Amino acid sequence: AQRVTQPEKLLSVFKGAPVELKCNYSYSGSPELFWYVQYSRQRLQLLLRHISRESIKGFTADLNKGETSFHLKKPFAQEEDSAMYYCALSNNQGGKLIFGQGTELSVKP
Amino acid sequence: DTGVSQDPRHKITKRGQNVTFRCDPISEHNRLYWYRQTLGQGPEFLTYFQNEAQLEKSRLLSDRFSAERPKGSFSTLEIQRTEQGDSAMYLCASSLRTAQEGTIYFGEGSWLTVV
Repeated sequence: AQRVTQPEKLLSVFKGAPVELKCNYSYSGSPELFWYVQYSRQRLQLLLRHISRESIKGFTADLNKGETSFHLKKPFAQEEDSAMYYCALSNNQGGKLIFGQGTELSVKP
Repeated sequence: DTGVSQDPRHKITKRGQNVTFRCDPISEHNRLYWYRQTLGQGPEFLTYFQNEAQLEKSRLLSDRFSAERPKGSFSTLEIQRTEQGDSAMYLCASSLRTAQEGTIYFGEGSWLTVV
């Protein structure tokens, strides 16, 4: 079964602290992994994709196929990072996305 | 704003009534997706179109749900005989390519409340 699990519903950190949002997946093939973000009162938008191996707004994510994980990391959290974060995978068939339950990141001053 | 637009943004309906949502994708995007999202959950895939062809439907999409994209541009999602369990946010998204090849852009969603 294809599944994405984000074990934390809420993650609260202080400004300047490191952040790690966890994502684990189950998929029998070679999926593509993504992180989507939804800021308050804004639409869901792509943050980064594993295939690009890029850093967006200081965030990075490494695909670990052995642990089937795709954790999102940032060394120094900023207040403007507060948002809902969704991990998602694409099954290489048609391009639909399978989302995790989401983690709310709250960065306190 | 030339992003994905959805209408109406909010709909309150009585149980048993039919409702229809419309989605206008980004111009020239040939792929269009419908998702449903309930409180505390991530978006769940419902169906997707490539041009006017509906290529995949989730098992979540019961017989009361029907989606169309008649000319390969805008799409409609109709829910017949609504039930309280249909209360959710219905998200539309579009892309020019698959998720692996390009970015999927989401609309702001249509909130449905069934009373």
